[in-house]
Amino acid sequence: DIVMTQSPDSLAVSLGQRATINCKSSQSILYSSNNKNYLAWYQQKPRQPPKLLIYWASTRESGVPDRFSGRGSGTDFTLTISSLQAEDVAVYYCQQYYNTPYSFGQGTKLEIK
Amino acid sequence: QVQLVQSGAEVKKPGASVKVSCKASGYIFSDYYMHWVRQAPGQGLEWMGWINPISGGTDYAQKFQDRVTMTGDTSIKTVHMELSRLTSDDTAVYYCARAGTTEIIPPVFDYWGQGTLVTVSS
Repeated sequence: DIVMTQSPDSLAVSLGQRATINCKSSQSILYSSNNKNYLAWYQQKPRQPPKLLIYWASTRESGVPDRFSGRGSGTDFTLTISSLQAEDVAVYYCQQYYNTPYSFGQGTKLEIK
Repeated sequence: QVQLVQSGAEVKKPGASVKVSCKASGYIFSDYYMHWVRQAPGQGLEWMGWINPISGGTDYAQKFQDRVTMTGDTSIKTVHMELSRLTSDDTAVYYCARAGTTEIIPPVFDYWGQGTLVTVSS
């Protein structure tokens, strides 16, 4: 099974500043036949289901603000929020869909400093 | 608009079973698999498995292999997840979430149900 590990577990960033969350997979999730990384990012606010932000490691879901970006390949990935807004306070999860069992990182709690 | 509407909260005793439903609308039902993800109080997300609602094919996480059953009823665009032999560790919010199966409709969870709280307590 693929284990996803995020860092840090929590993060406090000032409004307008950059926030970066890291995600590492225990094996490569780059599928060689199509050169795609099977990695998604989700945002979860209290008492809400998760919301899809990014898939294929760097493709922004429709309607997601462009301050959210994803990058990385193979086993190492990052989610960056370029200019933190108050509404970005949430827990963020990475998830691999390379194979089943699909797996999530443990989550990173993002707060305002 | 796409909607996944789940059944209401449940309270069960240890050893019992629970069945949660998820009714889909607003999209072509056959284009997506339905997955189930759970979240224990204050914890992270845990994938349980998926069902192809058209063929009935399933893929369960090994952890739940002998206790979970996912079924579908295409006539009413509804899927069900039944979990048996409940323990207090199964207390969680259970979500259904749709996902595609191709590069064009990627296998990511773009729409989620509102969640169903299952509480297991004696």
